[in-house]
Amino acid sequence: AQKVTQAQTEISVVEKEDVTLDCVYETRDTTYYLFWYKQPPSGELVFLIRRNSFDEQNEISGRYSWNFQKSTSSFNFTITASQVVDSAVYFCALSESSYKLIFGSGTRLLVRP
Amino acid sequence: ETGVTQTPRHLVMGMTNKKSLKCEQHLGHNAMYWYKQSAKKPLELMFVYSLEERVENNSVPSRFSPECPNSSHLFLHLHTLQPEDSALYLCASSQARTGGGSETQYFGPGTRLLVL
Repeated sequence: AQKVTQAQTEISVVEKEDVTLDCVYETRDTTYYLFWYKQPPSGELVFLIRRNSFDEQNEISGRYSWNFQKSTSSFNFTITASQVVDSAVYFCALSESSYKLIFGSGTRLLVRP
Repeated sequence: ETGVTQTPRHLVMGMTNKKSLKCEQHLGHNAMYWYKQSAKKPLELMFVYSLEERVENNSVPSRFSPECPNSSHLFLHLHTLQPEDSALYLCASSQARTGGGSETQYFGPGTRLLVL
């Protein structure tokens, strides 16, 4: 069965703190894709990153970094030196061989000034 | 216009009304999707069109009727909705992946629907 779990419902940090959003997934496929999306209050889901199951290299993009570990079925997302504009709901998602994106329930991040 | 656009952005309708949501993608993609996002539920896939043919329909009530006239446009026709259908309706597009499934899905801003 495919499943994505984001155990942190809500996180609140003060600006400039680092914060990690956790994502654990379940799949029986050997080929799959993992995603992170950001949903600001305006509602649009903004694509952040895609990872395929054969590429376990960690990735850094500016203040964002992602840690993919197949051994623990996790794909965690870290924001370094958080800013108020990072406040949003963040979704982790899984895609296998179908068109379906399986989303986690999301983590609401609040960055306070 | 760039990316994926949706109109209207907000819609209030009565249970006896008929309305349509429109989605347009400017990314040259060949697959389009409707998702529903309710307050207390994860994002739910409603319909998928690939190369203008419906390829997935996830047990959606018949009061929701999709239409995909070409690869750039997607509609969701609404009639006799219920208050529990109030939600954010998101459209997305992607390239269909060779061998099945899709590449990265890009989303529009959504339509916030309130059914009275």
